[in-house]
Parts: sequence; structure tokens; C-alpha cells
Amino acid sequence: GQSLEQPSEVTAVEGAIVQINCTYQTSGFYGLSWYQQHDGGAPTFLSYNALDGLEETGRFSSFLSRSDSYGYLLLQELQMKDSASYFCAVGGGGNEKLTFGTGTRLTIIP
Amino acid sequence: EPEVTQTPSHQVTQMGQEVILRCVPISNHLYFYWYRQILGQKVEFLVSFYNNEISEKSEIFDDQFSVERPDGSNFTLKIRSTKLEDSAMYFCASRPPDRAYGYTFGSGTRLTVV
Repeated sequence: GQSLEQPSEVTAVEGAIVQINCTYQTSGFYGLSWYQQHDGGAPTFLSYNALDGLEETGRFSSFLSRSDSYGYLLLQELQMKDSASYFCAVGGGGNEKLTFGTGTRLTIIP
Repeated sequence: EPEVTQTPSHQVTQMGQEVILRCVPISNHLYFYWYRQILGQKVEFLVSFYNNEISEKSEIFDDQFSVERPDGSNFTLKIRSTKLEDSAMYFCASRPPDRAYGYTFGSGTRLTVV
């Protein structure tokens, strides 16, 4: 089976930097994705890592270490609108399904 | 930007009734999925659909569930006899053929079984 663990809640200050961690156990691995979900909204794709290292997309960066079965999402220059839930997910490729992590609720405070 | 469209946005149904949730995936996408999210919990995979057939389904997707692509644009999820525990947000998603990531999710249907 597959399981992904994330911290349940994180609080950070507007303008600061925050890191959301994800550890996973999978029987196969096609890549680690990150999705953002605002309350009542749909998951929105943020970033994807298939190989080890850092991927940067604007204020968001994602890191993967396959040997450690670990990844993180880094959010810089935090804005109030970044308050949302963030999910890591494994899968992708072919018609591979996504398996989501437990989710991290990020709260940004002024 | 292309969107995945889902209807209705909210449906209330009585236990034991049948419901059909509708989705219009992005036109050039070939891989389609249904996921559900019980309030406050993580997103769970239900079923994947490719080339007009189910390619994978989860343990949740039992005999009361079915999916169909009745024409070139719609993708439906049918729940034959709803139970209280089927109350959840149901998301349709699709993925383009040229990359292995970046699924696009619809805005969801909130199903409430009473």
C-alpha cells in the first residue's frame, strides 16, 4: 500500500517562509506532487518532482529525496491568500492514480 | 485556462436513491478520474478511466458505483443506492496525454445523503 504523512497544521507569519514536509511509503514511485486546496474548493496543482532536487515555480519550491522517501514544499513571501490546505501526493504516469497525503492546514497570520 | 466542469455543485438525496454526478473533462485530456473527500479528510481515489474503460478502482468503488462516458465530452459517476456514508465532496479530474503530472480537478459536487 501507500501512505503519506504530513503535519496537520502549520502557522506562519505574512511575508515569511514556511516549509511543509511530507514522508511517504509506496510500493512504486512515479513522482511527488503538491496541491493547494482552499476551503470548499478543488485541489489545484502546484508542483511536481520526479527526480531528486529542488523545483522552483515562482514563490513555491518543492524538494524531493527519493532515498529518504521525503519531500517538502517551500512557500516564500507568504501572503494571506496562501492560507489553505496543502496536500502531497504520489503517482502520475500512464493512468496512474494519485494517492494523497493527510494534508497540512496552513494559517497565515499578520 | 481550460477547466473541468462538474454539475451539480450541490446535491441532496435521500438514502437509497440513485444519483448521477456529471463532469466535462478538458477536451484534449485522455485520462479521467473520480475522487472523493469526506469533510475534513484527505482526498481519496475512487476510479480511473482510460480508452473508454475502467483502468483501476479502489476498494471504495464497490458494486453500487459505476462510471460512464456516454459521449465524447461527458464523464459520469453513478451511485445506485446511496448511503449516509456516501456524503462527501466528489471531484472529477483529468490529465493530458503529454505529461505524467498536473491533474486538473473540477470544482466538485457536494453530495449530502439524508
